[in-house]
Amino acid sequence: AQSVTQLDSHVSVSEGTPVLLRCNYSSSYSPSLFWYVQHPNKGLQLLLKYTSAATLVKGINGFEAEFKKSETSFHLTKPSAHMSDAAEYFCVVSEGTALIFGKGTTLSVSS
Amino acid sequence: DAMVIQNPRYQVTQFGKPVTLSCSQTLNHNVMYWYQQKSSQAPKLLFHYYDKDFNNEADTPDNFQSRRPNTSFCFLDIRSPGLGDAAMYLCATSRGQGDRNSPLHFGNGTRLTVT
Repeated sequence: AQSVTQLDSHVSVSEGTPVLLRCNYSSSYSPSLFWYVQHPNKGLQLLLKYTSAATLVKGINGFEAEFKKSETSFHLTKPSAHMSDAAEYFCVVSEGTALIFGKGTTLSVSS
Repeated sequence: DAMVIQNPRYQVTQFGKPVTLSCSQTLNHNVMYWYQQKSSQAPKLLFHYYDKDFNNEADTPDNFQSRRPNTSFCFLDIRSPGLGDAAMYLCATSRGQGDRNSPLHFGNGTRLTVT
């Protein structure tokens, strides 16, 4: 059965420092993986997706993620956090018709 | 240039009084989804339409119904809202159910309050 585990429920960083949001998945097949961001009282916006092409995926707003099959991980990173990055982040795995959401990671950015 | 539009953004209803939330899309996507998201939780899928075919999740209460009169519009009806139904309701679309690479496009949601 497929599942998604976001290893941190809350991450706090200072503006200008790197961001790391961790995601591990389990899947029987070669999955598609997504990261979504949700700002307060807004819908979810796609940051990036992995679909079995390049293992390093670049997304919007300077975010990127690396698919590591051996570690079953798809961690989201950004070299330098901005105040506007403060939001909720969801890792999602897709197999066929099923979409499985992680429980989310709240990113706080302090000045 | 919002492509998935939900109205209203905020909805207040009374306990037991039927309420309808609406969603429209300009993407011409085949699939439309309704998710319920409670505070500090991940979205939970209620049901989805693949074209006109309705697919209900096994644990979606009967209190929740949906209509899709055409490709562009989809409605969520809550027949008798309870206090536990207060949540953000998110509409999303995707190109095709069989295309697992197709991401979801979300609206900004409707926040429902039940008094």
